[in-house]
Amino acid sequence: LAKTTQPISMDSYEGQEVNITCSHNNIATNDYITWYQQFPSQGPRFIIQGYKTKVTNEVASLFIPADRKSSTLSLPRVSLSDTAVYYCLVGGYGGSQGNLIFGKGTKLSVKP
Amino acid sequence: GAVVSQHPSRVICKSGTSVKIECRSLDFQATTMFWYRQFPKKSLMLMATSNEGSKATYEQGVEKDKFLINHASLTLSTLTVTSAHPEDSSFYICSARDPSGTDTQYFGPGTRLTVL
Repeated sequence: LAKTTQPISMDSYEGQEVNITCSHNNIATNDYITWYQQFPSQGPRFIIQGYKTKVTNEVASLFIPADRKSSTLSLPRVSLSDTAVYYCLVGGYGGSQGNLIFGKGTKLSVKP
Repeated sequence: GAVVSQHPSRVICKSGTSVKIECRSLDFQATTMFWYRQFPKKSLMLMATSNEGSKATYEQGVEKDKFLINHASLTLSTLTVTSAHPEDSSFYICSARDPSGTDTQYFGPGTRLTVL
């Protein structure tokens, strides 16, 4: 299972764009990259998933370079409510992914 | 995204009793569900993989007789903490793999277990 490395914490201010980068040097060919957001005492919430290049949805963008050894979650114009822990995970498609192993995540603090 | 529910959201029990936690996938069928536990300010730790119609697969160090898992249908998995002790107090979270698309895992809201 691919291991991921993220910054432990990041600080930002309201209205700024936040980019969180995750390293996954041992990503396998059938692995997807998925980002989750977790608030205290809640289960992780799916944010975005991608395989390569760029993916965008209503809440975030995910940038994946050609070698797929890293990925960057981009949160546009963050607000105080975006203060949470963000996890980057990699896992395979087709039922062969086994289990998602959580790293330490990145604690994002958004200040007014 | 897909919805996964857990019940109860919090439970307080006495030491020595057993507690059952339910995990349901509400709008998809999940042949595979997962159980995690999370201690304060720590990341999620995988406990076991629950497969519909077969025995669960436990991670190293997780006692299968202590944490009983049953996945009797495609939308329900249960975790029973048997003979609970204060050290079992934790936040338990389940997830379900949505087989449509890319097997994305969706998580339940979690269950706070406090053993007195």
